[in-house]
Amino acid sequence: QVQLVQSGADVKKPGASMKVSCKTSGYIFTDYYIHWVRQAPGQGLEWMGWIHPNTGGTNSAHKFQGRVTMTRDTSINTAYMDLASLTSDDTAIYYCARLLNGGRSLDFWGQGTLVTVSS
Amino acid sequence: QSALTQPASVSGSPGQSITISCTGTSSDVGGYNYVSWYQQHPGKAPKVIIYAVSNRPSGVSNRFSGSKSGNTASLTISGLQAEDEADYYCSSYTNTNTLFGGGTNLTVL
Repeated sequence: QVQLVQSGADVKKPGASMKVSCKTSGYIFTDYYIHWVRQAPGQGLEWMGWIHPNTGGTNSAHKFQGRVTMTRDTSINTAYMDLASLTSDDTAIYYCARLLNGGRSLDFWGQGTLVTVSS
Repeated sequence: QSALTQPASVSGSPGQSITISCTGTSSDVGGYNYVSWYQQHPGKAPKVIIYAVSNRPSGVSNRFSGSKSGNTASLTISGLQAEDEADYYCSSYTNTNTLFGGGTNLTVL
């Protein structure tokens, strides 16, 4: 069965960088885009960007450009999302999700990773 | 681009039907047939319940249906059940990015 398992919760200081991993299984990793979505406490979903595991190509939302880096390791079917220059506004649950190719929806999601930015 | 516009909250009684709207522009909702709807229960990851405007994934109840007219998409839930109480998000996939609505909290009275 398709699974996306993310790394555990983390606490970061302002100005630091964070990295979340997303280990996939149950499907061909390189055949599906991985998207990253975050959700601040009590707030809605915010799209951050995607990576295509086959090519390594990425695209990110304008507000994160220059601050987000998405990578992958095809040998272990894992995607990563780095976010730099953290502020308290980056405190959120970060999700990875697989994009359904035909329907362009996020059909399988990771469990989420809470990252807290606090001094 | 701005988030898609959804009502903050809707409510209905068990057995009733409700509709949640999602308004975008001709550059997103109106320009692509890639509107999805997600259901999120507290403390859980979102779950897709409608994709490509009106398609239901396997295992999703046929009480959920989606449609689109112009720049506005809609999610209808018929025969409301207590388990439908959750947050609902619309999303529009475009060639350059993905937008989410602000979310709608559904209360089953």
